[in-house]
Amino acid sequence: EVRLVESGGGLIQPGGTLRLSCAASGFSVNSNYMSWVRQAPGKGLEWVSVIYSGGSTYYADAVKGRFTISRDQSQNTLSLQMNSLSAEDTAIYYCARTDYSDYYFDYWGQGTLVTVSS
Amino acid sequence: SYVLPQPPSVSVAPGETARITCERNNIGLRGVHWYQQKPGQAPLLVIYFNSDRPSGVPERFSGSNSGNTATLTISRVEAGDEADYYCQVWDSRFAGVFGGGTRLTVL
Repeated sequence: EVRLVESGGGLIQPGGTLRLSCAASGFSVNSNYMSWVRQAPGKGLEWVSVIYSGGSTYYADAVKGRFTISRDQSQNTLSLQMNSLSAEDTAIYYCARTDYSDYYFDYWGQGTLVTVSS
Repeated sequence: SYVLPQPPSVSVAPGETARITCERNNIGLRGVHWYQQKPGQAPLLVIYFNSDRPSGVPERFSGSNSGNTATLTISRVEAGDEADYYCQVWDSRFAGVFGGGTRLTVL
């Protein structure tokens, strides 16, 4: 059974850093495309970043240069390092397995809430 | 980046058909995917590549995509279908792009 479990969210001050993790089971993170998608309170879905099975990474303009997506094959986890956080980054962050052919998100975690506030 | 236009809300009575649209110039040339999100839950894929349905999704959910409009159709709507629905495409420049979301209300 495919399962994704995010962790690492919390309350952080503006300008701070946070690292989110997503533990996967039932498939290999290393062999799949994986994405982060976020949702600000009361708002719609926003794609954040993707890592391809070959290791290439891409980011939304809103986070480029501040966020870094990575994976750990030994732990079968996906991570998102978030630096220089601002109030606009406040959201639930979901990790999602991404289909490599048609780029849809077929499995999602339950999400972890990041709140940026002083 | 950009957000795909969707109607903010759609209301239907139980047993009727709900249609939710997602518009973009020449969207018919892309693969469009649809997600259902109920309050407090993660999104759930209900349609991928325009009209394919993941296992476990009822046949009442169908999709189409042509020209400038993609459509999610829910037949014989039930109270349990009440949720937010999002369309999504993959853009060569902006990568993952979502629609603004449509709140489906079952009257």
